[in-house]
Amino acid sequence: GESVGLHLPTLSVQEGDNSIINCAYSNSASDYFIWYKQESGKGPQFIIDIRSNMDKRQGQRVTVLLNKTVKHLSLQIAATQPGDSAVYFCAESGKTNAGKSTFGDGTTLTVKP
Amino acid sequence: DGGITQSPKYLFRKEGQNVTLSCEQNLNHDAMYWYRQDPGQGLRLIYYSQIVNDFQKGDIAEGYSVSREKKESFPLTVTSAQKNPTAFYLCASSTISSGANVLTFGAGSRLTVL
Repeated sequence: GESVGLHLPTLSVQEGDNSIINCAYSNSASDYFIWYKQESGKGPQFIIDIRSNMDKRQGQRVTVLLNKTVKHLSLQIAATQPGDSAVYFCAESGKTNAGKSTFGDGTTLTVKP
Repeated sequence: DGGITQSPKYLFRKEGQNVTLSCEQNLNHDAMYWYRQDPGQGLRLIYYSQIVNDFQKGDIAEGYSVSREKKESFPLTVTSAQKNPTAFYLCASSTISSGANVLTFGAGSRLTVL
């Protein structure tokens, strides 16, 4: 079956450093990949998405890279701030999944001052 | 403000009782979803609905029921048949398009079985 998984459950970085959160997926027919951020006690919030025909997409302080050869995507956060501390999920979605989204287990990012 | 409202935020239930979690959205989204989240784990899909009066089972539907009588509302009932109901429940909605299925989530409801 389909699966989406993250390489590391936790990541700790120093404030101001760059963060890289990784994710592996199994469904090569996925149309889109989406990153969400979940702060403690809240619902996940959309960060950025990337279509499967792209390799890279940039947002404000975030970049997502997609490597279809090894079925891997990453979320890079530049100049990490304390407010970036949260759980980050990758998800795959699209027409091939009847509109549903499959989520990975999440990586907890802790930013040390 | 447009968004999704879940209630109650916290709920305690005795074993053998059914409970219903409310989810209302004013985003005019066609699709609505219920996910379950356990500590340290990802989100698992319980039920979803892409149109009024229709819904489909997700990956872990056993012990749960839903209804979709109105576009804005998608309540989830956790029945006594659910063996381990203590969890954080998240409702979400989205438009149905050919693009990315970006979900808008509510703040969640935390259910504890005593």
